[in-house]
Amino acid sequence: IAGITQAPTSQILAAGRRMTLRCTQDMRHNAMYWYRQDLGLGLRLIHYSNTAGTTGKGEVPDGYSVSRANTDDFPLTLASAVPSQTSVYFCASSVTGTGGADTQYFGPGTRLTVL
Amino acid sequence: QKEVEQNSGPLSVPEGAIASLNCTYSDRGSQSFFWYRQYSGKSPELIMSIYSNGDKEDGRFTAQLNKASQYVSLLIRDSQPSDSATYLCAVNRRTGNQFYFGTGTSLTVIP
Repeated sequence: IAGITQAPTSQILAAGRRMTLRCTQDMRHNAMYWYRQDLGLGLRLIHYSNTAGTTGKGEVPDGYSVSRANTDDFPLTLASAVPSQTSVYFCASSVTGTGGADTQYFGPGTRLTVL
Repeated sequence: QKEVEQNSGPLSVPEGAIASLNCTYSDRGSQSFFWYRQYSGKSPELIMSIYSNGDKEDGRFTAQLNKASQYVSLLIRDSQPSDSATYLCAVNRRTGNQFYFGTGTSLTVIP
């Protein structure tokens, strides 16, 4: 089934632990994105990748890192989790990554709680 | 000033009525505009995209864009209880490929 998968669905994590959220798409989209969604703040872009091998910082990149070794996968790593990173994380992808009419499609999300 | 602003609501309309959702954006160079629907606990799903001034209709949904006023709206005709959700406005600026989302408007359609 074409689309975006994310893992895990949810996770409770102790502060200070390292965590990688996984995202895989099978639509051969060039661009991928990571957002966090918090009540009252909406969706905020963490990092993005316009094509395999390149990444860029979004609005709230601190405390997060990404890599884009291939077209399909775009993992998000929290090196040392803090409670303020408690959020719902969405991965998204789009065809071209060149702006304009490019439309983003979202994965099901990962609910992360940092204690 | 936020990139994209929406009235958070909640907006309540009776079944069968027209629901009107509004959004303003700050970057006059923005070129693409999107409406997403998000049910509670689910991911955003695309409803409409619009790139040119004027109206764009798709079934019960009509998106309206006024670049001079930096304003985009979504009309939902014959509202149904299944339309109850949060509606997110998103804008893609001319520079780079970064989408900016509003905080969303919560819509409740009352049977």
